[in-house]
Amino acid sequence: GDSVTQMEGPVTLSEEAFLTINCTYTATGYPSLFWYVQYPGEGLQLLLKATKADDKGSNKGFEATYRKETTSFHLEKGSVQVSDSAVYFCALSDQRGRSQGNLIFGKGTKLSVKP
Amino acid sequence: DTAVSQTPKYLVTQMGNDKSIKCEQNLGHDTMYWYKQDSKKFLKIMFSYNNKELIINETVPNRFSPKSPDKAHLNLHINSLELGDSAVYFCASSPDRGLYNSPLHFGNGTRLTVT
Repeated sequence: GDSVTQMEGPVTLSEEAFLTINCTYTATGYPSLFWYVQYPGEGLQLLLKATKADDKGSNKGFEATYRKETTSFHLEKGSVQVSDSAVYFCALSDQRGRSQGNLIFGKGTKLSVKP
Repeated sequence: DTAVSQTPKYLVTQMGNDKSIKCEQNLGHDTMYWYKQDSKKFLKIMFSYNNKELIINETVPNRFSPKSPDKAHLNLHINSLELGDSAVYFCASSPDRGLYNSPLHFGNGTRLTVT
C-alpha cells in the first residue's frame, strides 16, 4: 500500500544552520504531498503542499519539491530559528477508493534548534 | 473562534472505564477524522466521516465507536479502556474527501492516559 518514509530524528541544529529532512513515498497513483508541523502541545498545521510533479511548495522559508523520478519530497530551510523547533510530518493523500482525501503520514522528525 | 476544537484536553482514567472525546469544527467542512498518535509520535487514521456517513474505519477495535450527530461534530466513544489506548487523539476536518490537495485542519489533541 501507499506509505511515507521520513528520516529518523531527532535532528539538532544550531540557529541559522541549513535544514534538510528527507521524505520518500510509495504510491500507486499521483498523490498530493504535504508537510505538516506540530509545535509542542498543539495539533498539526499545514506547512506546505505540492499537488503534482515538479511543483515546489513553500512557506515561512521552508521549501519542498515534488520529485516523481525519485519519489521524494524533502523539506529544506536555509537558516533555521529556535522557533522552528517542532515535529515535522511528511504526508501523502490516500487515493484508495473510499479513503480518498485521507492523509497517510510518515513517522515524524523532531527538530530542535539551539541558540 | 477555534476552527477545530476538542474536549477534554487531558483525560486520565482507569482501565475498564468508558469515556468520550468530543470534537466540533466551525469551518463548514464536510469531512471529519479521528487520528491516534502514539508515544513515538506516529499518526494513524482511525475513522473518517463525510456528511455524517462513515467512510473510513481502519483496523480499530470495536470498543471505539465514533458518532456524528451532524456534520460539524464527530465524537469518539471508547468502551472498556485498556492501557494500550493511552495516546493523543486528534480530530481533524477537511472541506471535501474527494479533493486530493485539500489540507486537514487539526484540533489540539486530547491526551488520554489509562492507568
